[in-house]
Amino acid sequence: SQELEQSPQSLIVQEGKNLTINCTSSKTLYGLYWYKQKYGEGLIFLMMLQKGGEEKSHEKITAKLDEKKQQSSLHITASQPSHAGIYLCGAASLTGANNLFFGTGTRLTVIP
Amino acid sequence: ETGVTQTPRHLVMGMTNKKSLKCEQHLGHNAMYWYKQSAKKPLELMFVYSLEERVENNSVPSRFSPECPNSSHLFLHLHTLQPEDSALYLCASSQVPRLENEAFFGQGTRLTVV
Repeated sequence: SQELEQSPQSLIVQEGKNLTINCTSSKTLYGLYWYKQKYGEGLIFLMMLQKGGEEKSHEKITAKLDEKKQQSSLHITASQPSHAGIYLCGAASLTGANNLFFGTGTRLTVIP
Repeated sequence: ETGVTQTPRHLVMGMTNKKSLKCEQHLGHNAMYWYKQSAKKPLELMFVYSLEERVENNSVPSRFSPECPNSSHLFLHLHTLQPEDSALYLCASSQVPRLENEAFFGQGTRLTVV
């Protein structure tokens, strides 16, 4: 089965600093999703990447899918306390097109 | 507000109780999902309904019973649960085909089994 590994598992940064979260798949990715979750709440969709080399941005968050399509990175520029939360990458399984599975998440804390 | 609403937000139940979780989506989607989120584990997909038919059932114990009466509503019926079933249960919806469309999640139901 396909697995997603995220690193780091947790991250504490000073407000204003840049940071990167990585998501590595054991198999080729055919759709990579980034979500953000506040503790104890639902997931908020950030962006979706489908093509190798694709890069998307939303406000100060940029995500890339590498050309070999087995890794994605999420980069936050000039972090703010509002960026704090758990970031999850998810991928669609080819064997079950309705199956969206997730990595273990990266917990981000931004210190004012 | 994602367009997916779950009730209740919190639930405490005894091991002999029967309860149901409800999920409703107002997005016109045709697929709905139940996920379980436990501490320090990846989100686990439990059930998938596509066009009101169950298409995924990932080895979930029979004490969890899903129901999808129409494309906008999804239930998870619970009975004789165990303390290890305590978790955040998340509902999601999307438009199939899946690979091209993101899923939208509800706020979740925090379940505690005592």
